[in-house]
Amino acid sequence: GAGVSQSPSNKVTEKGKDVELRCDPISGHTALYWYRQSLGQGLEFLIYFQGNSAPDKSGLPSDRFSAERTGGSVSTLTIQRTQQEDSAVYLCASNKDSAQSYEQYFGPGTRLTVT
Amino acid sequence: GENVEQHPSTLSVQEGDSAVIKCTYSDSASNYFPWYKQELGKRPQLIIDIRSNVGEKKDQRIAVTLNKTAKHFSLHITETQPEDSAVYFCAAVGFQKLVFGTGTRLLVSP
Repeated sequence: GAGVSQSPSNKVTEKGKDVELRCDPISGHTALYWYRQSLGQGLEFLIYFQGNSAPDKSGLPSDRFSAERTGGSVSTLTIQRTQQEDSAVYLCASNKDSAQSYEQYFGPGTRLTVT
Repeated sequence: GENVEQHPSTLSVQEGDSAVIKCTYSDSASNYFPWYKQELGKRPQLIIDIRSNVGEKKDQRIAVTLNKTAKHFSLHITETQPEDSAVYFCAAVGFQKLVFGTGTRLLVSP
């Protein structure tokens, strides 16, 4: 079946503008995760959803970052008043049920460039 | 919360040699330890995982070992090939989310 999809694949924006990144998890996967990966760096956890609720949003870097998930499916990550340090690849991952299975399936990522 | 440390950060080997990457974790309650491979410009993909009720798992040229007492686990790649060149991430589960190590860049030279 279809894997995790993300859109857009690339986004170039001017400093100060808002951006929305979208993640479509695998159908039936209840857990959804957002990560940020700066060039040549590791995976920085941002937020985790179980269904539509976010039990852990401890990784969001600042109040400019927010995320929501509706209908237990699609999630959007919003970055307000973007800064150059927000430039990175934003990865989304999903798994079936965080309590039963921890294998995460990653999307292709959105490469965000803030100029 | 869980903390995962990974070493080395870079590893260069000759084709045919073995490669070993090591990780330590802090939360003794963690019970699942996956390894992900990320090729340049690609998404991370699961290559092998181990649960805390076993000490070793093999899949062809790849094996993972787990020492629960010492709280460390390792990835072993034998007979390395150039296509093994990638960044490898270990992880451990903590509070229903995976905590990743910082990654190891493996370079296999022909």
